[in-house]
Amino acid sequence: EAGVAQSPRYKIIEKRQSVAFWCNPISGHATLYWYQQILGQGPKLLIQFQNNGVVDDSQLPKDRFSAERLKGVDSTLKIQPAKLEDSAVYLCASSRGADTVRYFGAGTRLSVL
Amino acid sequence: DQQVKQNSPSLSVQEGRISILNCDYTNSMFDYFLWYKKYPAEGPTFLISISSIKDKNEDGRFTVFLNKSAKHLSLHIVPSQPGDSAVYFCAASDRGGYQKVTFGTGTKLQVIP
Repeated sequence: EAGVAQSPRYKIIEKRQSVAFWCNPISGHATLYWYQQILGQGPKLLIQFQNNGVVDDSQLPKDRFSAERLKGVDSTLKIQPAKLEDSAVYLCASSRGADTVRYFGAGTRLSVL
Repeated sequence: DQQVKQNSPSLSVQEGRISILNCDYTNSMFDYFLWYKKYPAEGPTFLISISSIKDKNEDGRFTVFLNKSAKHLSLHIVPSQPGDSAVYFCAASDRGGYQKVTFGTGTKLQVIP
């Protein structure tokens, strides 16, 4: 069974630029999550999708972050414009339903200069 | 507000000895607890979990203990192996609604050969 795929693995941008991350969850997993992990901290949930609907985006900075999950499969997370404090690893995860066990991708490491 | 705390950022243990990783939580609504392991440049992977109706769960070399009255859980690894060297995240969920999982800040375990 293929795992959660994410791209790109690394991205370096300057502040105020835009960036997008892509995630392909495990086949058949209805729930998809985007987490932000800042160095020295644990993963923080940004947004949770159930199929293609948002069920929790309470910690998503909506003035600059957006996410979508078209057709209930792949998802993209966008930051526009980026700030220095957005430097982090962005992890995508999926689960069969609203199960507690998440399966994580390798993440995208974003550096904002 | 850090609801899940891992107060030891790092731990070094000799190969073959026991590794004990600790975790404290503050939210009394948490009723399901998980440990994830993370290698560099990879996403976290699920290791072991425990429900609040239990006080111990064992899987091979890994045992998780839960003390609900103290709001404390620990992960024991016996015997420790060099391949166990990784960052370990404690996580907790209230299993209600969409089962939001809150992660701790992680403990970096180094097993010395």
